[in-house]
Amino acid sequence: SQQGEEDPQALSIQEGENATMNCSYKTSINNLQWYRQNSGRGLVHLILIRSNEREKHSGRLRVTLDTSKKSSSLLITASRAADTASYFCATDAGGGSNYKLTFGKGTLLTVNP
Amino acid sequence: DGGITQSPKYLFRKEGQNVTLSCEQNLNHDAMYWYRQDPGQGLRLIYYSQIVNDFQKGDIAEGYSVSREKKESFPLTVTSAQKNPTAFYLCASARRRGAGRAEETQYFGPGTRLLVL
Repeated sequence: SQQGEEDPQALSIQEGENATMNCSYKTSINNLQWYRQNSGRGLVHLILIRSNEREKHSGRLRVTLDTSKKSSSLLITASRAADTASYFCATDAGGGSNYKLTFGKGTLLTVNP
Repeated sequence: DGGITQSPKYLFRKEGQNVTLSCEQNLNHDAMYWYRQDPGQGLRLIYYSQIVNDFQKGDIAEGYSVSREKKESFPLTVTSAQKNPTAFYLCASARRRGAGRAEETQYFGPGTRLLVL
């Protein structure tokens, strides 16, 4: 089963607006990451937030984490057409010496010029 | 796409044929991963390797095989047993930090799109 589930599945906004995407997960995590994928390309890491952090910023990105609700949100401020991409949250599987991530199905963001 | 290369960009498979996807990295990363992505879906883990000559099955390993003979290389073979191989395949790598665990951030290659003739 998917550990991370993004919401909404698709989001269309105008350039300059803010975009908010949400991620919910089911089990305890060590950290949660957000990745971006342009169409037909590989994923690019955006930001990582640890379970003991509540908010983190990176440029126009703001990520929040609520471990009590098992949810995270990614906010992109002052969006640009170049922000058009799919955004995925990923959570660690936890425990043991082997490390792996579990990805959600993603939110497709379209920023219209 | 960092220092990870995948080849070929497109690959065509005939019925009953085994095909091998290449993944090479020059980032000196210990851990490497293979994912499958179907249209409109997230990534599903096929196999991963934390160190040379060792690898573990992911969530959907059936019909796939891997090897890790060199630190830089982690090829994936899609065997004839994989009945629905059409997908976008992504390779990733990560550093290894203390206590034998890989660092959390993964670096991805550009992907290989596999199609069935």
